Amino acid sequence: AQRVTQPEKLLSVFKGAPVELKCNYSYSGSPELFWYVQYSRQRLQLLLRHISRESIKGFTADLNKGETSFHLKKPFAQEEDSAMYYCALANSGYSTLTFGKGTMLLVSP
Amino acid sequence: EAGVAQSPRYKIIEKRQSVAFWCNPISGHATLYWYQQILGQGPKLLIQFQNNGVVDDSQLPKDRFSAERLKGVDSTLKIQPAKLEDSAVYLCASSLKRVDEQYFGPGTRLTVT
Repeated sequence: AQRVTQPEKLLSVFKGAPVELKCNYSYSGSPELFWYVQYSRQRLQLLLRHISRESIKGFTADLNKGETSFHLKKPFAQEEDSAMYYCALANSGYSTLTFGKGTMLLVSP
Repeated sequence: EAGVAQSPRYKIIEKRQSVAFWCNPISGHATLYWYQQILGQGPKLLIQFQNNGVVDDSQLPKDRFSAERLKGVDSTLKIQPAKLEDSAVYLCASSLKRVDEQYFGPGTRLTVT
């Protein structure tokens, strides 16, 4: 069975500090992984996908198959980054997503 | 474009009562998803429709939950009878093609007392 683990419920940093939100997965096939974000009073939305290897709002995430990880990183956190972040894994048919429990990122001034 | 609409936004019921949620996806989106998000958890897929056919309902508690998508557009999710553990936010999402390009609705927060 596929599983997504986000070990931290809350990550609190100061503005300008580096951020790393951890995500580990369990999956037998070739994984397709994503990060979703939910800002306060807004809807859940896609932040980035590993296959695109892109930087969105300064965030990047690298898939490490050896460590089965897909950590989300940003070198300098901003207050507007405060939000709930969910790591998600697509199934083999690429038809459904399994979400982690989420990590609340709080960036203080 | 208009987003995914859901109603009601909040609902409080007593256990053993029935409740129904409504979702209107983005126009043209063939795939519709219902998720249950319990406090402190990530969204859990309950059921997925492709047009008006069910693609995946493996995690839907079918003894009390039911869902339909008539004419491949709007969808309703029903709980009958509700239990305390059904208290959660129920999210509807729709997508055109890619599973990761889901657009989420605002959710319905259900409290069962």
